[in-house]
Amino acid sequence: KAGVTQTPRYLIKTRGQQVTLSCSPISGHRSVSWYQQTPGQGLQFLFEYFSETQRNKGNFPGRFSGRQFSNSRSEMNVSTLELGDSALYLCASSYLGSGPQRETQYFGPGTRLLVL
Amino acid sequence: KNEVEQSPQNLTAQEGEFITINCSYSVGISALHWLQQHPGGGIVSLFMLSSGKKKHGRLIATINIQEKHSSLHITASHPRDSAVYICAVGLNTGNQFYFGTGTSLTVIP
Repeated sequence: KAGVTQTPRYLIKTRGQQVTLSCSPISGHRSVSWYQQTPGQGLQFLFEYFSETQRNKGNFPGRFSGRQFSNSRSEMNVSTLELGDSALYLCASSYLGSGPQRETQYFGPGTRLLVL
Repeated sequence: KNEVEQSPQNLTAQEGEFITINCSYSVGISALHWLQQHPGGGIVSLFMLSSGKKKHGRLIATINIQEKHSSLHITASHPRDSAVYICAVGLNTGNQFYFGTGTSLTVIP
């Protein structure tokens, strides 16, 4: 089975712009979670989607949003980019659908976003 | 206030040494995860456990729910074990998921 794929792998944007990141889970996995990793804050949970519905959400402002399609692929959008949004954005998928807190996650390689 | 604390932050070991990384948490959890992150960013889930002990090859993870503490052990360490090891906990109430700051391990040949 192919692993979790994320596109693009690298992205440079300027402040005020918006960005959309894409994640394709492992075939058969219905839960997709998104994470932000920065040198200062480490890894932080953004949100989780299951069956096209946002089921869990971390403590991030409304500028961070996402969606999931019927084929389980997910997109994450950040509007009005700020310098502090520069980070590695990781997505992960899981099979059982119990939630990322309660089952093994399979991570993608990440999208490295630089905001200038 | 950090819900998850890891120690040590950095660790250098000689090849073959026995390594222990510790994780303490302050909240009630449904499960604890150990993750491995290699340079370049890729993350691999090593263990998920809610009680007792799990073993996979040279890696062993233990958890003591009463003491809110988990350890990751690496036996006969090897340079390919060099990575950042991250502890994460899922709360047993609500849906939050907290991560430790990671332990950077370097194993020298």
